[in-house]
Amino acid sequence: QAVVTQEPSLTVSPGGTVTLTCDSNTGSVTSGHYPYWFQQKPGQAPRTLIYDTSNRYSWSPARFSGSLLGGTATLTLSGAQPEDEADYYCLLFLSDVPVFGGGTRLTVL
Amino acid sequence: DVQLVESGGGLVQPGGSLRLSCVVSGFNLEGYFMNWVRQVPGKGLMWVSRIDRFGTGVTYTDSVRGRFTTSRDNAKNALYLQMDSLREEDTAIYYCVRGLTIDHWGQGTLVTVSS
Repeated sequence: QAVVTQEPSLTVSPGGTVTLTCDSNTGSVTSGHYPYWFQQKPGQAPRTLIYDTSNRYSWSPARFSGSLLGGTATLTLSGAQPEDEADYYCLLFLSDVPVFGGGTRLTVL
Repeated sequence: DVQLVESGGGLVQPGGSLRLSCVVSGFNLEGYFMNWVRQVPGKGLMWVSRIDRFGTGVTYTDSVRGRFTTSRDNAKNALYLQMDSLREEDTAIYYCVRGLTIDHWGQGTLVTVSS
């Protein structure tokens, strides 16, 4: 069974930079897995930040960027703001089936 | 503005059935694949189902295949999730999500399966 893995939790200082990662137990993550990243704040529905590895939507803050690094999908937050404290989920298409990672709880402190 | 509004959630006993609806506005439903995604409160996200633009192709995650049925009525701007033989582990918030690009989410509707 395909499993997508993220760090359970991370902490970043206000104004700092942090990188979240997304791995698959099926092998290296590539652009063909179309990595997505979502942000979810308490009591709210998820919001899509990044699609197809590195593309932002009009509502996605520019301080968020997505990439592939060493067979892993990454989400980098540069210049963290207090409002960025949230849960972040990645998603990979594995054999055309969307599989979410377990999520990373990001604390801005 | 793009809007997706789910309804139909509630409390149901194990083995029971429930039908969720998602009514959309602000875009032409016919132009988009649609998804259902669920989330156990306080836990992670799980993709449930995807339906193509005209309802001729539907895929499901293994744990709901044979019990859940996704359909759509483009003329009514609506997506549906018929859930049968419900189990306690189906308890979750169910989100309607637009497109292969998974770009817009509804606010979700809570389904509780409990005796």
